[in-house]
Amino acid sequence: DTEVTQTPKHLVMGMTNKKSLKCEQHMGHRAMYWYKQKAKKPPELMFVYSYEKLSINESVPSRFSPECPNSSLLNLHLHALQPEDSALYLCASSQEHSYEQYFGPGTRLTVT
Amino acid sequence: QKEVEQNSGPLSVPEGAIASLNCTYSDRGSQSFFWYRQYSGKSPELIMSIYSNGDKEDGRFTAQLNKASQYVSLLIRDSQPSDSATYLCAVYNAGNNRKLIWGLGTSLAVNP
Repeated sequence: DTEVTQTPKHLVMGMTNKKSLKCEQHMGHRAMYWYKQKAKKPPELMFVYSYEKLSINESVPSRFSPECPNSSLLNLHLHALQPEDSALYLCASSQEHSYEQYFGPGTRLTVT
Repeated sequence: QKEVEQNSGPLSVPEGAIASLNCTYSDRGSQSFFWYRQYSGKSPELIMSIYSNGDKEDGRFTAQLNKASQYVSLLIRDSQPSDSATYLCAVYNAGNNRKLIWGLGTSLAVNP
């Protein structure tokens, strides 16, 4: 199975809500990533997990909280978001030393 | 500032022609090079990776790497309307701790 899945596909949330994005991969990869992508821009790295440990946090605001429960799962907990956080949130995975990153379909997030 | 540059396009080619997409990078120590295809509203899809100088072919796609001149290109032979998408170039250097440096993408339109 060479697939990265993400749920939900779409999410609308108010600025006071708490929600979570979920990502799962079944490729045996040991690195997982969260990206944010705005229209007509490339993906912007947010977090990297390697062997279930957070290895990179690109100075992301604390209203975004990542979690890696095991090597196949990655969550992004959202709280008190701003309208400017509306974007496509992408999960990706790779073999630790491959660096070929494979993306999930993304979650389209709208903050109202 | 490490950079990856691509012509934004749009690049317009007739169906059946060869589409040529180019990417230059500033970090001479870059080691790995990737081409992603992204349809509007969808997530990036890895279509080619190249690590050493020369050409790499996969079906209708050929990636070309010239480290001395610091450029990487993607050729699409027998272009089809379904190839119409944005093509993102991404470059990796181990010194960036698994962080890809992305170009802004080239929009390709293949006209029937």
